[in-house]
Amino acid sequence: DAGITQSPRHKVTETGTPVTLRCHQTENHRYMYWYRQDPGHGLRLIHYSYGVKDTDKGEVSDGYSVSRSKTEDFLLTLESATSSQTSVYFCAISEAGLAIHEQFFGPGTRLTVL
Amino acid sequence: QQPVQSPQAVILREGEDAVINCSSSKALYSVHWYRQKHGEAPVFLMILLKGGEQKGHDKISASFNEKKQQSSLYLTASQLSYSGTYFCGTEIGGTSYGKLTFGQGTILTVHP
Repeated sequence: DAGITQSPRHKVTETGTPVTLRCHQTENHRYMYWYRQDPGHGLRLIHYSYGVKDTDKGEVSDGYSVSRSKTEDFLLTLESATSSQTSVYFCAISEAGLAIHEQFFGPGTRLTVL
Repeated sequence: QQPVQSPQAVILREGEDAVINCSSSKALYSVHWYRQKHGEAPVFLMILLKGGEQKGHDKISASFNEKKQQSSLYLTASQLSYSGTYFCGTEIGGTSYGKLTFGQGTILTVHP
């Protein structure tokens, strides 16, 4: 199994509070991704990173920011959490750039915003 | 734009076959297939590249019709362990940093 961990695994927070989710990998993969998963929507890309300090927006980036100061860590921040951000968040890593580049997913973080 | 998967759900008996389809309105570079069991992370099954190259599970096969921008996942002689939700993820362009757009999922249930 790919070495990917996410923390925390579960979090309950109040509307308006800041929240940071962490993704940590031990595979030295260049590419990292944050997805959210909601019933009926599948997985939707929030932000991704193609190297240290290199990040870009995905399809549902509003209300989220990311940072990557080290190869192994990719942080997702909700500056002011809203109830619509209640979801399961998955981090994934990949060696995209090679011909074959599957993504490996972390265990997920279940976030509830009250 | 999100690819469309069909069917939305399928129920099988052990040993039966199933086909799950994934269609896109855009020209694709690659199609990825993942399976997710309840409460767990998605797990990689197959990747098919434009041009025919592929990599994946040795008991699951898939096809990629580049002209129609469609992929199909073939599950033969299904086992109980095949139950889960199957997602296709599509990539547009070889320099898209591996960004995938996922379909809404197909729920597969295999009964004894």
